Amino acid sequence: DQQVKQNSPSLSVQEGRISILNCDYTNSMFDYFLWYKKYPAEGPTFLISISSIKDKNEDGRFTVFLNKSAKHLSLHIVPSQPGDSAVYFCAASARGQNFVFGPGTRLSVLP
Amino acid sequence: EADIYQTPRYLVIGTGKKITLECSQTMGHDKMYWYQQDPGMELHLIHYSYGVNSTEKGDLSSESTVSRIRTEHFPLTLESARPSHTSQYLCASSGATARDSSGANVLTFGAGSRLTVL
Repeated sequence: DQQVKQNSPSLSVQEGRISILNCDYTNSMFDYFLWYKKYPAEGPTFLISISSIKDKNEDGRFTVFLNKSAKHLSLHIVPSQPGDSAVYFCAASARGQNFVFGPGTRLSVLP
Repeated sequence: EADIYQTPRYLVIGTGKKITLECSQTMGHDKMYWYQQDPGMELHLIHYSYGVNSTEKGDLSSESTVSRIRTEHFPLTLESARPSHTSQYLCASSGATARDSSGANVLTFGAGSRLTVL
């Protein structure tokens, strides 16, 4: 039973436009959420996080939004760049517990 | 510059061989993890350690074993490899110094070891 879901396996966006990656979770005890980016043949790298006491966190071109009532979070990338093409993983944890990862969404930013 | 190192990056071996995947970190993190990932699938936690001489099995059952004799070192061993073990193995670490602005205990990953068993 997947606790963290990323229902879009892939997404294509034009360079300069907004990329929106979605993530849904089922465990209402989750209180920390992370986004990781992964290039082929490399390990995931940390991108941005949000705790359940907030509904938005912004870092440069990256913004994460959290809707606790819907158990949904999204990552916005504005403007999208070709170098953003990668697989993006959403991860969630309840305090003190290990992180659970989603299956990832492959983002392709077209020049 | 990587602070967590995995070797080998790629390994192709025959069925029945014993293999050890190495993982070392220089950040002094107390927690270390092994994840297994198949293409298009989520990262599955197979082992973790919260400190020296402490190891636990993760959410996904695995025939591999781990040890944590030193803080910085967390090797994974398969006594007899099989084709079903073909996968990418990712090592990660976290610690008290790895909290970000949200307070989350951020994981730092190595580059991964891609294992192919023929």
